[in-house]
Amino acid sequence: GDSVTQMEGPVTLSEEAFLTINCTYTATGYPSLFWYVQYPGEGLQLLLKATKADDKGSNKGFEATYRKETTSFHLEKGSVQVSDSAVYFCALNYGNNRLAFGKGNQVVVIP
Amino acid sequence: GAGVSQSPRYKVAKRGQDVALRCDPISGHVSLFWYQQALGQGPEFLTYFQNEAQLDKSGLPSDRFFAERPEGSVSTLKIQRTQQEDSAVYLCASSLQGAQKETQYFGPGTRLLVL
Repeated sequence: GDSVTQMEGPVTLSEEAFLTINCTYTATGYPSLFWYVQYPGEGLQLLLKATKADDKGSNKGFEATYRKETTSFHLEKGSVQVSDSAVYFCALNYGNNRLAFGKGNQVVVIP
Repeated sequence: GAGVSQSPRYKVAKRGQDVALRCDPISGHVSLFWYQQALGQGPEFLTYFQNEAQLDKSGLPSDRFFAERPEGSVSTLKIQRTQQEDSAVYLCASSLQGAQKETQYFGPGTRLLVL
């Protein structure tokens, strides 16, 4: 079935480093793609989304481009801050009104 | 405006007890979703409402799980005869119409621990 795969394991990096979190998907048709973020002690909130191929979603310095040819939606940020420490989830909505989430990646930014 | 709210935020139940989890969606949102999030995992879909109609309940793990939204706003997820494997965070989300492109807005979740 339709699914999302995120890279394994937590990500630890220093402040001002470049962040990439890989996300690939398997889907029939053309899903909408999302990145959600969960800060410590808080609920899931939308970070960015893209609804068709070649769309780029961006927010708070984060970007992700919907790549149909590689079925990917990798999240990037050029210079992370300690406040970016959180768990990041990639998700897709393939039109039957449900989101399918990846397992999430914990990002820890060290000052 | 107010976001999605859920209550209680934490619930401890003894195995075999029944529990009821409440969700108040964003006012005016037609669609409401329930997800289950196990520790260290992404949320998993449970069920979906469009107004008061439950259009998809294919994610409910057993017939001990039941959800309702009788007036098309507040929803309750009920778990009967709770088991230890039901321990998880239960998330509610709402969206304006439920369309594929729409953002789903999540509540803070109810953390259920079954002893």
